[in-house]
Amino acid sequence: SQKIEQNSEALNIQEGKTATLTCNYTNYSPAYLQWYRQDPGRGPVFLLLIRENEKEKRKERLKVTFDTTLKQSLFHITASQPADSATYLCALVNQAGTALIFGKGTTLSVSS
Amino acid sequence: DAGVIQSPRHEVTEMGQEVTLRCKPISGHDYLFWYRQTMMRGLELLIYFNNNVPIDDSGMPEDRFSAKMPNASFSTLKIQPSEPRDSAVYFCASTTEGGTYNEQFFGPGTRLTVL
Repeated sequence: SQKIEQNSEALNIQEGKTATLTCNYTNYSPAYLQWYRQDPGRGPVFLLLIRENEKEKRKERLKVTFDTTLKQSLFHITASQPADSATYLCALVNQAGTALIFGKGTTLSVSS
Repeated sequence: DAGVIQSPRHEVTEMGQEVTLRCKPISGHDYLFWYRQTMMRGLELLIYFNNNVPIDDSGMPEDRFSAKMPNASFSTLKIQPSEPRDSAVYFCASTTEGGTYNEQFFGPGTRLTVL
């Protein structure tokens, strides 16, 4: 079955630095991957979608890469701010195309 | 638009009781998803509907769980009887044509505690 892993449960960085979060998957090749942000007590909020034929996607200070050879996506936040502190989830569509499989998330803390 | 609306936001019940969670998707969205989130297992899809019809319920853990969507603006997730291991945050999400290929809009969730 498809598996998705986010490399660490928690990441602590200083304001202004670049945060890099990793999402690895096994057992198949998804057509696309999504990243969501989740704040405590709230539902996830969609950030970006990247397709298998796209190497990189940007949105303001966010950048996502998708390496289908390594079976890995990297999520970067440049010039990080304390307001970026949240849990970030990656999600892949399953092979049947019927559901999103979510990773457990990485909790990012940005200190000032 | 008000976004996806869920009620109640918190529910505390005793083992064996029936629990009903409610969801109103965003108007015009034709896909509705029910998820469960726990620390151990993360966010798991339970069931999803397209045009009010259940499409995939393979994530529903047991027969104690059931979901309905009687019309385009309302869905329920029912647990009967509830057990302590059902304690989790339950999210409803909706999206437009394209189903899982489009961004999903999540509600605020219902935190369920079964004593």
